[in-house]
Formats: sequence, structure tokens, C-alpha cells
Amino acid sequence: EAQVTQNPRYLITVTGKKLTVTCSQNMNHEYMSWYRQDPGLGLRQIYYSMNVEVTDKGDVPEGYKVSRKEKRNFPLILESPSPNQTSLYFCASSLLGRGTGELFFGEGSRLTVL
Amino acid sequence: QKEVEQNSGPLSVPEGAIASLNCTYSDRVSQSFFWYRQYSGKSPELIMSIYSNGDKEDGRFTAQLNKASQYVSLLIRDSQPSDSATYLCAVNKYRDDKIIFGKGTRLHILP
Repeated sequence: EAQVTQNPRYLITVTGKKLTVTCSQNMNHEYMSWYRQDPGLGLRQIYYSMNVEVTDKGDVPEGYKVSRKEKRNFPLILESPSPNQTSLYFCASSLLGRGTGELFFGEGSRLTVL
Repeated sequence: QKEVEQNSGPLSVPEGAIASLNCTYSDRVSQSFFWYRQYSGKSPELIMSIYSNGDKEDGRFTAQLNKASQYVSLLIRDSQPSDSATYLCAVNKYRDDKIIFGKGTRLHILP
């Protein structure tokens, strides 16, 4: 079954404690992306990657890091989380080209930073 | 001007009627346009893509694109209660391959 898998689905942490949200896809997609979704602000792109070892900043990259060492994985790293990073996070993937925007989304990871 | 704009709604439509959702975008070089549906507490799912001016139909859904007016719309015919959701418009900016979403329109189908 084609899917994008994120873990953990729910996480409560404290300010400053480093955490990683993993994302893996089994569709051999080149394009992978992280979004955060907040009430009233919609989906905002954090980082994206068009291939292994290629990553680019989205519209809200501050406070986040990513890496793309393998095609299937695209982890999101919060080195020192702060309360304003409390949000619902989605990982998504797609094929590159005209259909790059035909994204498959993971189920989401709800993060609370105290 | 926001890059992708949508009315937040809620848009209430009687069951069986046509729901019309609108989206405008600011970057003229945008080439690809997408509509996603998101049920409460769920992840977005793609329902339509459109790349050329004109209409594209898929079942009860029709996407319409007018690049000159920088306008994309989604029509849902014979609306069903199961269509009640938030509809997100997305645009692919070829220059940098960012996929930008609007804030979404909440649609409520009245039984």
C-alpha cells in the first residue's frame, strides 16, 4: 500500500529538548516536504527536498532542520523546541515535474511544546 | 497580497445543489493548480489537478482555471453531506518548486 508514514503521531515535550519527527514514503517519490498547520494560518511549508542531499527552505524554516540522506526518508529535527512550535505537522511526498503538487500526505504529527 | 487566497467560509450549501469554491493566486508564473479536501482531524487528500486554462471534470467535481485572471475554482455538483470538509487550493511555483496552500474554505452541506 502506497503511504507516507510519520512518527510519532502525538508528542508532548518541553522547551529545549531536541526531538525528531520521522517521515518515510514507499512510493519512490523524489519530492518530499514538511508542512505545519495552525488555526487561522493554514498549511505552511517548512522545508522541502527534490532529491537526496538536496533541501530547500519553505516559508517558515526558522527553528527547524531537515536532512535527506536516503530517498525514502525525510526527518524533521527541532534542535531546541519552543512553545510557538506547538502545531500539527504533515509530511508529504510526490513525483517531480508538472505533478509535483500532487502530494501524498502522512497522517500528521501533533506536537505540543510546554 | 497573499500568494494564494480563499474565502474562509463557512460556505453552506443545500444537499443536491452545486457548491462553488474559489481561489486566486498572485504569482503569474504559477503553472500547476490543485484542490485538496481535508476532513476534520485528517490529512489533506488530493481531489483535482489542473494545468491548462479551461475546465477539467472528474465525476461530480469540475476544476476551472483562468490564468489571465489568476483564478481557480472548484465546482461540486449534487453536493452530499460527505462533501462537508475544508477545501484547500494549492499552487506550484515552478521557479522554486514550492507548493503554496491557501488557508482553505470550510464547506457545510445542509441535509
